[in-house]
This record gives sequence, C-alpha cells and structure tokens, in this order.
Amino acid sequence: EAGVTQFPSHSVIEKGQTVTLRCDPISGHDNLYWYRRVMGKEIKFLLHFVKESKQDESGMPNNRFLAERTGGTYSTLKVQPAELEDSGVYFCASSQELYEQYFGPGTRLTVT
Amino acid sequence: LAKTTQPISMDSYEGQEVNITCSHNNIATNDYITWYQQFPSQGPRFIIQGYKTKVTNEVASLFIPADRKSSTLSLPRVSLSDTAVYYCLRGEGGAGSYQLTFGKGTKLSVIP
Repeated sequence: EAGVTQFPSHSVIEKGQTVTLRCDPISGHDNLYWYRRVMGKEIKFLLHFVKESKQDESGMPNNRFLAERTGGTYSTLKVQPAELEDSGVYFCASSQELYEQYFGPGTRLTVT
Repeated sequence: LAKTTQPISMDSYEGQEVNITCSHNNIATNDYITWYQQFPSQGPRFIIQGYKTKVTNEVASLFIPADRKSSTLSLPRVSLSDTAVYYCLRGEGGAGSYQLTFGKGTKLSVIP
C-alpha cells in the first residue's frame, strides 16, 4: 500500500512569489491534515479536511495560506505571497481513524 | 494549548529496554495519548496510542496510570535503528476534528 506522498520534496522561492504544495493521501483515507515546522520550532497543526470539507482550520497562520481538497482526494496548500517566515517543512498526514495519522515525508520550503 | 513534557534526550546501549516518561497534567477526559517516532528528513510515524492502563503492540508498550497525568513508552531491546526523536502527544479532539500537538520530543540515541 502506497503511503502519503508529497510534492515537491524541496522548493526554493523568492519572497513575494507563490508556491503550491501537493499532498496525495493514502487511498481511502477521508481525513487529511496539514502541519508545518518552521525553523527551530515544533511541528504545528494547520488544518484538517474530512473528504473535501475543512473540518478545522484553526491553525492556519493567515490569509496568505489557502488549502483545498477538491473531490476529496489530493490536497494542495498554496502560499501567496510567500514571506521569509514561511520557510520550514510542511507535512501532510492522512488517516482513516482520527487518532492514527500517517505522515508524508514533508516538503521543505525555503523562501529567500 | 497545554502541552506534554518529556526528557529532551536519552542515551541507551543496544539491547537495553528504554522507558520514556511523559507528563500531561492537564489531559482532558476525551484525550488519547499517542506516541510518534521521527527519523531525520522523514515525517513522524505512529507508534502506539492509549487511553488508560497498558497497551502493547509489536513495536512498543504504553503504560498510562489511572490518573492519566503521565505515560511511559517502553521500547524493548533497542537497536541502533531506534535512534530517533520520540514525541508524546495529546490528541485534541472535538466536533470530529483531531489535531496533534507536538512538543520538542525526546531524542533517543542508541549506542553500540
């Protein structure tokens, strides 16, 4: 069974540019989560989808971040415009049950 | 958000049993305790979860006393490949959502 995949593995962009991260969850998992770790900090929750609906987006830092999950399959996280403080590792996770989440390898975002 | 407290780091020789204790004094009635493992450049990986008493799987055991204010992850006979960061997490749920709150974790180093 394929795990959670994320694309790209690493992205380097300039401040002010737009970046879109993609997450493909494990097939059949209705729950999809986004987390991120900014430099030197702990992993923080961003939001939770159940199928195509946003169940909880309390962790989204500001309106420069837009997450979508059209059709309830893969999800995208767009940062527009990117700022220096957005640099970090963005993790996606999916789950069938709420408690056991399967994480992807992460996308390392560097904003210069 | 209330967090968990665990040792910053631990060292162990190969073949020994490792116990990592976590404090969660403010755990809520509906919170589970979940442990994750993370290797460098990878996403966190679910190890075990529990609510009360003892849970055992093929990887580890989890002990949670009756007051649920702490928990202990037990790794039997560790090997070099168990060197990783271990996170003790409270899952904060409500209305169908379940966000994991990561702390700094315990960096376990297994030495030959």
